[in-house]
Amino acid sequence: KAGVTQTPRYLIKTRGQQVTLSCSPISGHRSVSWYQQTPGQGLQFLFEYFSETQRNKGNFPGRFSGRQFSNSRSEMNVSTLELGDSALYLCASSLPDEETQYFGPGTRLLVL
Amino acid sequence: GENVEQHPSTLSVQEGDSAVIKCTYSDSASNYFPWYKQELGKGPQLIIDIRSNVGEKKDQRIAVTLNKTAKHFSLHITETQPEDSAVYFCAAWDTGGFKTIFGAGTRLFVKA
Repeated sequence: KAGVTQTPRYLIKTRGQQVTLSCSPISGHRSVSWYQQTPGQGLQFLFEYFSETQRNKGNFPGRFSGRQFSNSRSEMNVSTLELGDSALYLCASSLPDEETQYFGPGTRLLVL
Repeated sequence: GENVEQHPSTLSVQEGDSAVIKCTYSDSASNYFPWYKQELGKGPQLIIDIRSNVGEKKDQRIAVTLNKTAKHFSLHITETQPEDSAVYFCAAWDTGGFKTIFGAGTRLFVKA
């Protein structure tokens, strides 16, 4: 079974731009979560989607948004990029009503 | 909300020795505790997990113990090998928030 896939793997943007990251969960997984990983803050929860509904959101500004499609694929968007948004963005998926999350390889975003 | 603390931040062992990583959690309602291994350039990979109704779980060279009373859980790696070198994260599942709360990570070096 294919794992969680994320595209693109690497991205370079400049301040003020916006970016969209994509995540395809493991087949049959309907919950998709996003995390930001930085050396200083570690792994921080961004948001979680299940059946196209956002069930929880972490403590991030409104510039961070996401959505989930009917096929469980998910996208996250960051508008008006700041230097501090440089990070590894990880997507994780899980089966319905299961806690175990499986992570993708991440998208490394560099904001210049 | 849940908070997970992890120690040590860095651990260096000789090949063949054992490695132990310790974590504490704050929410007594937490009942699922996964451990992830992250290698350079990759996303976190689930290596073992434990639920609160179990005190210990083993999988080959890896074992996890859980003390619910003290809210402690630990990862034990025996007969370490150079390929065990990575960053290890302990975590706790936040039931109400549909999210995983991670420790800060332990960078394990296994010297050949």
